Formats: sequence, structure tokens, C-alpha cells
Amino acid sequence: AQKITQTQPGMFVQEKEAVTLDCTYDTSDQSYGLFWYKQPSSGEMIFLIYQGSYDEQNATEGRYSLNFQKARKSANLVISASQLGDSAMYFCAMREGNYKLTFGKGTLLTVNP
Amino acid sequence: DSGVTQTPKHLITATGQRVTLRCSPRSGDLSVYWYQQSLDQGLQFLIQYYNGEERAKGNILERFSAQQFPDLHSELNLSSLELGDSALYFCASSARGGIVTGELFFGEGSRLTVL
Repeated sequence: AQKITQTQPGMFVQEKEAVTLDCTYDTSDQSYGLFWYKQPSSGEMIFLIYQGSYDEQNATEGRYSLNFQKARKSANLVISASQLGDSAMYFCAMREGNYKLTFGKGTLLTVNP
Repeated sequence: DSGVTQTPKHLITATGQRVTLRCSPRSGDLSVYWYQQSLDQGLQFLIQYYNGEERAKGNILERFSAQQFPDLHSELNLSSLELGDSALYFCASSARGGIVTGELFFGEGSRLTVL
């Protein structure tokens, strides 16, 4: 069964606007972690933000914030003030146990000037 | 620059052949993870090593094997290659034995093309 679902294969946003990338997850664990990674066209995977299941506050890292809704099992990434350099694939991932990250299929974000 | 080094960056080979992908983790990191990224399967966890010992196994084929050496670098060996093995292979490292709260640092990947 798919454990991480990213329903948006592609998203477009105008430069300087905010964009939300959706992620829902499925787990029966009480303790888990959620991650977002960015993969530009060059291919490397860049860590953006982390949210622990027990964290009461939504995680923020600069222009990135994670909208964590535990009851809905969603962990959406919000990028504020989009920049052209934000154009990339974005992956949501969930930690299973202590050792394994399970990734979603990704969302391709295109920022238009 | 994540500090994780992978070689080679690109590799083209033929079906039936064997290749070795190499990974040097970030200085001080004891854990190494291997992931495969293909168009149809997405990002799949293959295997993890911690300080030289296998810690966790994912969707790794029997034709594939890995190891972590005393200097903490790791190698992923792919044998009897098939067309479907063409993919981007990532190595990642973390400081601890698991990724409970911290992120993984990914290398730039090794792109394998099997013809």
C-alpha cells in the first residue's frame, strides 16, 4: 500500500507568490517523521524541512514551512515568495522505523517569471 | 555541497555486465544508505550500513550487494545487469545509526545506463 501520496504531478506558480505542495501519509506508528526534499534538474537531493509526529509547532525553515495536520495525516509544504530557483521536483518522505525513508512520487514545481 | 561523494557520476554499460558504485559519506557520518531512483519505481530504499554492519534492507535485488569498509566508504555492486537496472543511484549518509530526527545528506548520484 502506498504510504506517501503526492497528488499533484505538476504545479505552476508565479514568481513571488506562495505555493502549497500536498502530501498525505499513512502509518499506524505513533512516532514518525516527515521530510521534504528538493531535487533540481541537476539531480541532487536537497533536504528542506523536517516535522516530527510529536512536534506541536509546524516546522519552518526560511521560506519553507510545513503545514502539519496530524488528524488528517497531511504534511503540506508551503513555499513563500517563490523564486525562479525553486523550480524543481519536490519529494515528501516519511521515516519508517529508524532507518528507512519512504518517498512519494514527487511534484514538479515550475516557477514562472 | 552535501559532503557526500559518489563516483562515477555517469556509467554506461551493457546487459549482463557488473559495475561498482562508490560512496564516501560526510566526514564523521557512520551511516550510509543506498537508494535507487527510476522513472517507474520512484525513489526506493535499497540498504543501509552503520559503522561497517548492515542495519536495514529494503527492495534490494539478489543481484545487488553492498558493503561498508573500515574507512566508512561504501560500495554498491550491481551484477548481471538488465535494462531495467538503468537508474540514478543515490548514496546518503547520516551521523547516527538511524534517521530519527535528522536529515539524510545525499550525494549527487551515479547515473547508470544499461544498453
